[in-house]
Amino acid sequence: GNSVTQMEGPVTLSEEAFLTINCTYTATGYPSLFWYVQYPGEGLQLLLKATKADDKGSNKGFEATYRKETTSFHLEKGSVQVSDSAVYFCALSLYNFNKFYFGSGTKLNVKP
Amino acid sequence: GAVVSQHPSRVICKSGTSVKIECRSLDFQATTMFWYRQFPKQSLMLMATSNEGSKATYEQGVEKDKFLINHASLTLSTLTVTSAHPEDSSFYICSARETGGGNQPQHFGDGTRLSIL
Repeated sequence: GNSVTQMEGPVTLSEEAFLTINCTYTATGYPSLFWYVQYPGEGLQLLLKATKADDKGSNKGFEATYRKETTSFHLEKGSVQVSDSAVYFCALSLYNFNKFYFGSGTKLNVKP
Repeated sequence: GAVVSQHPSRVICKSGTSVKIECRSLDFQATTMFWYRQFPKQSLMLMATSNEGSKATYEQGVEKDKFLINHASLTLSTLTVTSAHPEDSSFYICSARETGGGNQPQHFGDGTRLSIL
């Protein structure tokens, strides 16, 4: 089947710390991979995506590389800010982005 | 950028009530909209795919008579939870996909928190 597994939170970091949120997937086809961010009280916003193996998605200092050999798409940021506090969802999509499978979300708390 | 408006953002009602949630694409047309449900500390689960002018496609295990979906225009889809019960309490999120097919992205609404007493 198709599924996404991401590390449980919450993750608590100090400002300027290095962030890694692990995400692994299983898929029946060749998925596209995404990271979405959900700020408190808001909907999901696309953070970055990668559509094929070895692609690197990046946005706002966040990066993730599509690793087919390890079926992973880990999210990283070199120096987090308080404003990065949110819930992060890893997701995969098949069939031209019609069907999404989401991970359970990882809450990130960044302390000043 | 593309904006999806979802209304209401929060609703609390008594058991047995029917609740309607609206999902609007504000600055683009969406042939296809999607409805998700999110339980606490769990992932979003796709409930149904809503296509303008045709019947919605429901995921396995989702009761179509319980969750009525109407997509009457290219900018509006509604989800009606009929005869809601406490177990229907959840966070419901819609997304809309820009008309054009292919690699058009989905844009998400801010969600509706439904609480059934």
